[in-house]
Amino acid sequence: DVKVTQSSRYLVKRTGEKVFLECVQDMDHENMFWYRQDPGLGLRLIYFSYDVKMKEKGDIPEGYSVSREKKERFSLILESASTNQTSMYLCATHLVNTEAFFGQGTRLTVV
Amino acid sequence: ELKVEQNPLFLSMQEGKNYTIYCNYSTTSDRLYWYRQDPGKSLESLFVLLSNGAVKQEGRLMASLDTKARLSTLHITAAVHDLSATYFCAVERTDKLIFGTGTRLQVFP
Repeated sequence: DVKVTQSSRYLVKRTGEKVFLECVQDMDHENMFWYRQDPGLGLRLIYFSYDVKMKEKGDIPEGYSVSREKKERFSLILESASTNQTSMYLCATHLVNTEAFFGQGTRLTVV
Repeated sequence: ELKVEQNPLFLSMQEGKNYTIYCNYSTTSDRLYWYRQDPGKSLESLFVLLSNGAVKQEGRLMASLDTKARLSTLHITAAVHDLSATYFCAVERTDKLIFGTGTRLQVFP
């Protein structure tokens, strides 16, 4: 089974802090994705990566950056956390024509 | 820009009843996915639909895809409480998945 593991289930951070959300997958997939989930908005794509060192902006990249130094690890970075970034963050890996596999999610609260 | 719309957003239904969730999308795609999310949990895959006319069934759930109409349906037959969850459809666009807003289903006795 594909396993996608996110480093934290719950995080509480202060406004202005730099926040790192880590994601590791064990299936040797090239593609990895970061989404945020908000009530009534579904899942929105923040950033994705097709390979090591590569990154592409999704639909809502503002306020975020990413890092892909190793194939199995994809990190989401909030450079300066703000309260409007309070959300559920989901990491996923997905290949064309197959279902995506998601991590357990990180619920981030910025106070 | 690809947009994916689901309706209804919220569905409260009695056990034993049938209902359909609709997923419409705005641009051509042959690949559509359905996911389930339980409260506080992540998403798990339900169905993968890869061509026009595809139909998949698992238990009380059946999903279909009409690429010409840009429509997928998730039909619930004789609902039971265990089906209470949020259901998402997602359309594939150039290797990425674009998700609908989700349908929160509550099944009551």
